[in-house]
Amino acid sequence: AQSVTQLDSHVSVSEGTPVLLRCNYSSSYSPSLFWYVQHPNKGLQLLLKYTSAATLVKGINGFEAEFKKSETSFHLTKPSAHMSDAAEYFCVVSAPNQGGKLIFGQGTELSVKP
Amino acid sequence: GAGVSQSPSNKVTEKGKDVELRCDPISGHTALYWYRQSLGQGLEFLIYFQGNSAPDKSGLPSDRFSAERTGGSVSTLTIQRTQQEDSAVYLCASSAEDYTAQYFGPGTRLTVL
Repeated sequence: AQSVTQLDSHVSVSEGTPVLLRCNYSSSYSPSLFWYVQHPNKGLQLLLKYTSAATLVKGINGFEAEFKKSETSFHLTKPSAHMSDAAEYFCVVSAPNQGGKLIFGQGTELSVKP
Repeated sequence: GAGVSQSPSNKVTEKGKDVELRCDPISGHTALYWYRQSLGQGLEFLIYFQGNSAPDKSGLPSDRFSAERTGGSVSTLTIQRTQQEDSAVYLCASSAEDYTAQYFGPGTRLTVL
């Protein structure tokens, strides 16, 4: 079975400082991994995806994530936070043998202080 | 091009009533998914359609929930005899045949009084 654990329910950073949102996954198969972002009262937006190509994945808005099989991690990073980054972030796993249905982590709320 | 659309954006209903939620996927996407987002349960998979294959209904919480997809495009999620615990945001997503990324609609916020 597939699962994801987001290690922090809430992260607070100052504008201009680095962002690290942590995610560990569990999968019996070679997984596809995603990060989605949800701004208040908005839908889910795909930030980036890993599908067994390059282990360092670059996404939109300066975010990137590194797939580390040995650590079963897929942490999301950004060098410099912007106020507009404040949102809920979801780490997500899917497995091809299950039709691609997504299993979501519990989410990490990112706050950005001026 | 147009993204995934859902209607209505908000629905308030009384306990015991039936509701229908609609999803229009991205044109050309063959896979369609329904999820539910609630405070207590986070984001949960409900049901999945792929082409003409039988849907994967493994996430439906009870037999009061059903969904159909007509003509391989538009989908309707129906909840019969709504209960207060059905209150949530219902999200629809679609993906191209490679299953690699799903694109979400804005959701329907359902409130059961």
